[in-house]
Amino acid sequence: DADVTQTPRNRITKTGKRIMLECSQTKGHDRMYWYRQDPGLGLRLIYYSFDVKDINKGEISDGYSVSRQAQAKFSLSLESAIPNQTALYFCATSQLNRGRRTDTQYFGPGTRLTVL
Amino acid sequence: KNQVEQSPQSLIILEGKNCTLQCNYTVSPFSNLRWYKQDTGRGPVSLTIMTFSENTKSNGRYTATLDADTKQSSLHITASQLSDSASYICVVSGGANDYKLSFGAGTTVTVRA
Repeated sequence: DADVTQTPRNRITKTGKRIMLECSQTKGHDRMYWYRQDPGLGLRLIYYSFDVKDINKGEISDGYSVSRQAQAKFSLSLESAIPNQTALYFCATSQLNRGRRTDTQYFGPGTRLTVL
Repeated sequence: KNQVEQSPQSLIILEGKNCTLQCNYTVSPFSNLRWYKQDTGRGPVSLTIMTFSENTKSNGRYTATLDADTKQSSLHITASQLSDSASYICVVSGGANDYKLSFGAGTTVTVRA
């Protein structure tokens, strides 16, 4: 979805390097998320944010940190990258539909990260 | 243990044929179930979302069903097209925390001419 952009799209780095993945959205959504996808596994939530002042850990937050610089921007950092962080990373946004108590998540195109 | 299991893991069908994908879940309490389509190299895109009270939902040639009693869902693709080749992911949301989603590993569908 072009409304959610991620940079870079591909990155190869070495063990121990600090890496930042960036996500921007033009959908005006309050909620933003970072996921990782590994072959044969479902997407797993790393961090999520419901507004600029709200940051929450997901199920696999160890080794990662995030920053919500503005409503439209949510970045993911790997302070010291390790090979098992090699994966496809997705940013997503959503806005709660209070009537149906659901929110559809819109995903970015993904960042393929390789840690050597 | 993954709370959302999908089958088959992959399948190949001929263009124009129908197919059905299965999803079983153990997420409880249950809030809603979604099906996403993920093309190779792209992010998932929502196809349908069903709450507890809905047992079928269509989106063009895609029809999803939900049986909340047996905790099963299916996605039926009618008259498949080459563009249907993708991974289809079943996602379940539990309880009041609608943002906490449990993702299946996906079924990879390949449509051949």
